[in-house]
Amino acid sequence: DIQLTQSPSSLSASVGDRVTITCRANQSINLYLNWYEQKPGTAPNLLIYAASNLHSGVPSRFSGSGSGTDFTLTISSLQPEDFATYYCHQSYSPPQTFGQGTKVEIK
Amino acid sequence: QVHLVQSGAEVKKPGASVKVSCKASGYTFTKYYMHWVRQAPGQGLEWMGMINPSSSRATYAQTFQGRVTMTRDTSTSTVYMELSSLRSEDSAVYHCARVSSHWTIYYFDYWGQGTLVTVSS
Repeated sequence: DIQLTQSPSSLSASVGDRVTITCRANQSINLYLNWYEQKPGTAPNLLIYAASNLHSGVPSRFSGSGSGTDFTLTISSLQPEDFATYYCHQSYSPPQTFGQGTKVEIK
Repeated sequence: QVHLVQSGAEVKKPGASVKVSCKASGYTFTKYYMHWVRQAPGQGLEWMGMINPSSSRATYAQTFQGRVTMTRDTSTSTVYMELSSLRSEDSAVYHCARVSSHWTIYYFDYWGQGTLVTVSS
């Protein structure tokens, strides 16, 4: 199975900060990497698909980059509604797997 | 507008089975694969398997082989996930999730609200 390792596991940041979350795969997954946001008690919401494509309706402060084994999710200016847990997800080969999550908390 | 509406919370005893439903609306049911993902309390996301609503063919994660069955009813646009021989470690929120694709890159674009399954004696 492909393992995805996110870093950091958690971070504290202030509104307006630039936030970067990384996801590393233990083998190349080309561009088969997606990012989701999850708030407590709700289902995950798609943010970025195929490494860098912004899903419809997602604010432009979110962006994704990377290919192969190393990927990044960036929030250019953190907003109050962005405090959540973020997951990367690979669909390169079954079984599909997720990173362990990065919890973004208020500083 | 796409909606995936799941059945309500369940409490089961160890060794029992649970069947969770996911009713789709707002799109052509047979054109999109449906997956199931679970999340244990305070834990991450775990992929369980998928079903092709058009053919009814299902593929399961090795972890759940022999215990999970995914089916669908095209007349009601509903998919089902049944998990048997339940143990306490199966206590989790179970989500259905629709798959879309960008070229060959698959991603979950819509999710059900989740169904909490609690396994307790």
